[in-house]
Amino acid sequence: EVQLVESGGDLVQPGRSLRLSCAASGFTFDDYAMHWVRQAPGKGLEWVAGISWNSGSIAYADSVKGRFTISRDNVRNSLYLQMNSLRAEDMAFYYCTKDYYSENFGWLDNWGQGTLVTVSS
Amino acid sequence: DIQMTQSPSSLSASVGDRVTITCQASQDIANYLNWYQQKQGKAPKLLIYDAFNSETGVPSRFSGSGSGTDFTFTISSLQPEDIATYYCQHYDNLRVTFGPGTKVDLK
Repeated sequence: EVQLVESGGDLVQPGRSLRLSCAASGFTFDDYAMHWVRQAPGKGLEWVAGISWNSGSIAYADSVKGRFTISRDNVRNSLYLQMNSLRAEDMAFYYCTKDYYSENFGWLDNWGQGTLVTVSS
Repeated sequence: DIQMTQSPSSLSASVGDRVTITCQASQDIANYLNWYQQKQGKAPKLLIYDAFNSETGVPSRFSGSGSGTDFTFTISSLQPEDIATYYCQHYDNLRVTFGPGTKVDLK
């Protein structure tokens, strides 16, 4: 059974940094691309960033480009999101998701339960 | 960038009703369109991929169709457990875009 468990969500002040982690199990982690998708309370889904199986292809939403960095450790079966210069509008649940494909992006066939990032002074 | 729109933004229907949601892309996206269901307080769940293919285990009352710019998601006979928000999602060349969602509740 595929399991994606996010951690690292917290209350943080505007301008500060936070690192999210996602522990993956139940599948061959380095066979698949992975993503972070976020959802502000009461709002819709927003794709944040994606990374191919070997980190060779990485992409970001315009709203986070230059501030967030997605990475993965295929030995530790883990996905990360380094979030710098956090803004109030970054406040959301952040979901770790698995892609169907390895190199390109496709459909997100497994999701974690999400971790909440609150940005407030 | 390709923009995705959905209509309606919300709807109310009765148990047993046929429910139809549309998703429109701002340009031709072939069949690169997926559908997700999100129940209140839960993570989204993939239902349909590549416009009309059902994910394993998804009830047959859920279906998708369309290609190019216009897509349709249908629940053939609404059940109480189908109350949720439904999102379309486009993918291409290292980009993922979600539609704004359609909230479905019981009349």
